[in-house]
This record gives sequence, structure tokens and C-alpha cells, in this order.
Amino acid sequence: QSALTQPASVSGSPGQSITISCTGTSSDVGGYKYVSWYQKHPGKAPKLMIYDVSNRPSGVSNRFSGSKSGNTASLTISGLQAEDEADYYCSSYTGSSTLVVFGGGTQLTVL
Amino acid sequence: QVQLQESGPGLVKPSETLSLTCTVSGASISDHYWGWIRQPPGKGLQWLGYLSPNDNNDYNPSLQRRVTISVDRSKNQFSLKLSSVTAADTAVYYCARGLGVSNFDFWGQGTLVTVSS
Repeated sequence: QSALTQPASVSGSPGQSITISCTGTSSDVGGYKYVSWYQKHPGKAPKLMIYDVSNRPSGVSNRFSGSKSGNTASLTISGLQAEDEADYYCSSYTGSSTLVVFGGGTQLTVL
Repeated sequence: QVQLQESGPGLVKPSETLSLTCTVSGASISDHYWGWIRQPPGKGLQWLGYLSPNDNNDYNPSLQRRVTISVDRSKNQFSLKLSSVTAADTAVYYCARGLGVSNFDFWGQGTLVTVSS
């Protein structure tokens, strides 16, 4: 069981927007600004899409945005494209002895 | 461009020690945080530990003190050792650069390590 809870799957049609949630506790997501999101295609390394809740690394499309409310962080992808189909993982710094925790991953299907 | 490359045996026997090295190019080991993350087959990502610019370490306590991360600055490499491995340690192992402890902006391609006799 992962420390952070994500939906197992989400889907959307090209051009639509989707949101993936990532729920933790006040000891991780709710307590720190260090939430990140990764995109992972099969057989490839994860790619950082969002860091520190809402910051985009250079080169990441502005169709990807992040936010947080309480103990839940969210990744929103607008204008869905076929290439967005992948697994998405959230991660957070924690105040516990396990300094970094990941969510279980969400499979995004572009219909 | 920052690049990371994992290297090491792809097959390790149960009870032995898994050893992997991450070779970094395009960035200095001394200037950043570095981490190891793994993904067992069909499962999610698991953080293993980190190395800081001033050689501080911390590890995932679920690994029960079996893990060690070390650095060789002369080669711009850092390494992972995981002792007393079992089949549960079979995974793709990634090294990554950290923006601090927990945000990983550059990753290696990953290397599959299978624990089997």
C-alpha cells in the first residue's frame, strides 16, 4: 500500500482536461510544499512534470499544472493529447523517517 | 545536458549484496542532491535514499538498514549497495538528481536487477 493515494486510472478524450488527485496527510502533502508529479511511459524513466506543488521544469508544456488544497494535491492536464497517455505518479517530502513517499500511480488513457 | 547511467549486475543471488553505480555527466556530484528509486515489476515507485552535496545520507527505513549510498567524487559517480537481498528486491533501479531531497529532475534509464538463484 502506497503512502499517497491516487486513483488507479483516469481517462479523457483529446482536447479535454483531466485532473489526477493525490491524497496524503498533514505529515506529507499537507505539511510541505514539496509535492512533485512524474510522467512515466512504459520502459522509460520517469519525467518530472511538476515540482514544489505547482512549478513546471523548463521544457514541460504549460498544459500541465499542479495545485494543492489541504492534504490533497492535484495534477491537471488540459488539451489532452495522445502523447499524454502514460502513468502519472505523485511524490511528497514527509516529516517522518521515510523522507520521500510516492503515490501508487494513475494510468491515464486518452480515448 | 545532464545524463545519468546506472551500471551493475542484472542478476543477484538471494542473501547476497546488490551493487549499482550511477555515472553522472553534465553536472558535478558535489553540487546537487542525488537519489535512488526503484520500481518492482507491476508496482509503483519506491524511494530508497539520498546523498546530499555535503555527504549527508538518509535511507528508507523499510529497507531495515540494508541500504548504503556512497560517492566517488573523482569519478563523478555515486553508488547503491543493498545487502541480504530477496526476491522482493527484484526491480528496476533508477538513479536521479534531486532538486533538494525529494524532487528528481534528471533520471537514469533504469536497470533491471533480478534476485534469483
